[in-house]
Amino acid sequence: AQKITQTQPGMFVQEKEAVTLDCTYDTSDPSYGLFWYKQPSSGEMIFLIYQGSYDQQNATEGRYSLNFQKARKSANLVISASQLGDSAMYFCAMSPIGTGGGNKLTFGTGTQLKVEL
Amino acid sequence: DTGVSQNPRHKITKRGQNVTFRCDPISEHNRLYWYRQTLGQGPEFLTYFQNEAQLEKSRLLSDRFSAERPKGSFSTLEIQRTEQGDSAMYLCASSSNRNEQFFGPGTRLTVL
Repeated sequence: AQKITQTQPGMFVQEKEAVTLDCTYDTSDPSYGLFWYKQPSSGEMIFLIYQGSYDQQNATEGRYSLNFQKARKSANLVISASQLGDSAMYFCAMSPIGTGGGNKLTFGTGTQLKVEL
Repeated sequence: DTGVSQNPRHKITKRGQNVTFRCDPISEHNRLYWYRQTLGQGPEFLTYFQNEAQLEKSRLLSDRFSAERPKGSFSTLEIQRTEQGDSAMYLCASSSNRNEQFFGPGTRLTVL
């Protein structure tokens, strides 16, 4: 079984500042993927970034980077130069990889980010 | 077609009625997933298709729920004899052989 823990129900950040959203995970799968999704108030889940458990380097996608610390089982999302449009709910998720199955996602409870002027 | 589409976007029904939702995945994606999201929670996995084969179902998917993906294209999720506890956002996602799943806008179900 897989488990994702997001301990920050809400976060505030000032525009143009960087913010880190925490995520820890637990799994017995030898190979897995870690994901971050953004969910604005409209409800759609928007894929942000992916990190494979065997990737040597931390993933980056524009202003998003994933701080992957395998020994600590953490996969924190860093958003640089925050913008007002970044205000949304952010979900950390994981899936097994290479098990022959469908790579179903297990999600955390989310962190509500509010970017202020 | 650049994304996953879902219809309807909103559905209000009375307890005991049947409802059906449709998901059209990204055209070249062979994998299709259904998730359910209740207020204040992350999405929970319901079921998964690879092409037309339904390969996994969550224990959340009671006998009142059925999903199909004829011809490996669009998928439907039917809920029979709806209950108030079925009120939720139903999300569909698709993926290719890569790991990322891309979600549709969801269908918000309200059971009165």
